[in-house]
Amino acid sequence: DAKTTQPNSMESNEEEPVHLPCNHSTISGTDYIHWYRQLPSQGPEYVIHGLTSNVNNRMASLAIAEDRKSSTLILHRATLRDAAVYYCILRDRRTSYDKVIFGPGTSLSVIP
Amino acid sequence: DAGVTQSPTHLIKTRGQQVTLRCSPKSGHDTVSWYQQALGQGPQFIFQYYEEEERQRGNFPDRFSGHQFPNYSSELNVNALLLGDSALYLCASSLNLVYEQYFGPGTRLTVT
Repeated sequence: DAKTTQPNSMESNEEEPVHLPCNHSTISGTDYIHWYRQLPSQGPEYVIHGLTSNVNNRMASLAIAEDRKSSTLILHRATLRDAAVYYCILRDRRTSYDKVIFGPGTSLSVIP
Repeated sequence: DAGVTQSPTHLIKTRGQQVTLRCSPKSGHDTVSWYQQALGQGPQFIFQYYEEEERQRGNFPDRFSGHQFPNYSSELNVNALLLGDSALYLCASSLNLVYEQYFGPGTRLTVT
């Protein structure tokens, strides 16, 4: 399974943008990049995913490097409710029934 | 539309006992995955069920077994409980060929 590396923790001020990095140097051509987040005392929730092009949705943006060896999850204006653990995950698109491998993730703190 | 539901919310068992955890997937979803999350760590994949069969399995011993029913709900069984089995057990559902997984709130299992 291809692995990802993320910083253990990050801090952001409320209402400022947050850039959460993820390195995946061994990514294969068939791997999608997924992001999930887990708020305190809750199960993980899907945030966004992409393959090659940058992606935007109502929650966040995903910027993918041209060589696909790294990506960045962008929260445009951090709120206190964004304080969570963020997981960057690779998923092989060749199969629908693959296992999702979570690393330790990045714990994001948002300062009021 | 109800999301993923899990029962019970909390459970306390004694070493050597057996436990059954239950999961109802999000409406319309046909694939269920189970994860174990120890305190301070990311979720670890246990196994995945589709069409009532185990399709993928993580690095967990045979003490961990599961079942999927015709209505797509699922059970996780753990035999001969060890202290190390104390964790949050998460269930996630997804729809065939759609990659995002929807997680339930989890069942907190404590083994004493």
